[in-house]
Amino acid sequence: AQSVAQPEDQVNVAEGNPLTVKCTYSVSGNPYLFWYVQYPNRGLQFLLKYITGDNLVKGSYGFEAEFNKSQTSFHLKKPSALVSDSALYFCAVRDGATDSWGKLQFGAGTQVVVTP
Amino acid sequence: GAVVSQHPSRVICKSGTSVKIECRSLDFQATTMFWYRQFPKKSLMLMATSNEGSKATYEQGVEKDKFLINHASLTLSTLTVTSAHPEDSSFYICSAEGQGFTGELFFGEGSRLTVL
Repeated sequence: AQSVAQPEDQVNVAEGNPLTVKCTYSVSGNPYLFWYVQYPNRGLQFLLKYITGDNLVKGSYGFEAEFNKSQTSFHLKKPSALVSDSALYFCAVRDGATDSWGKLQFGAGTQVVVTP
Repeated sequence: GAVVSQHPSRVICKSGTSVKIECRSLDFQATTMFWYRQFPKKSLMLMATSNEGSKATYEQGVEKDKFLINHASLTLSTLTVTSAHPEDSSFYICSAEGQGFTGELFFGEGSRLTVL
């Protein structure tokens, strides 16, 4: 079984400061990891993914994430947060052990609040 | 990029009536579509997986007779909430996966259902 943990319900950061949103995962096979962002009453927007290759993945809007296999983590980072980054962030995993790629399992979500 | 359109974005209905929500992939063929339900400030709960031309696969605990899913073409899936009750009020989101899998899912904008 696969699972995703986002240990923080909310992250508060001042504009211009670094932003980190934590995510750890558990899968049987190779992990396929994703970050999505959701604005109020909207669907999810894809930010970035790790399938294979470089552990540091760069995505949309200046976000990046680092795959750490030993710590089973995939933390999302942004060097300088903007007020417009305030949103709900979801980490998700698909289990590469299955032939059909498997379901996308979401974490509980982390609310990011960036203050001016 | 891949665009998924969901309609209607908001719907209010009376208890006992049925409501249909459409999910369309606009610029790609979606071999698989997923339907999620999201409660306020909560994560997404996968309801069912639908493959074009076959019956949907429902997650445990989801009533298939209440939430009818049809995936009649490679660009359209529908979710019908039958005999809706106030407890069915929620935010429903669809997502799609195209041919030539790249890992990420593409999400619709969501549909807010309110049952009076």
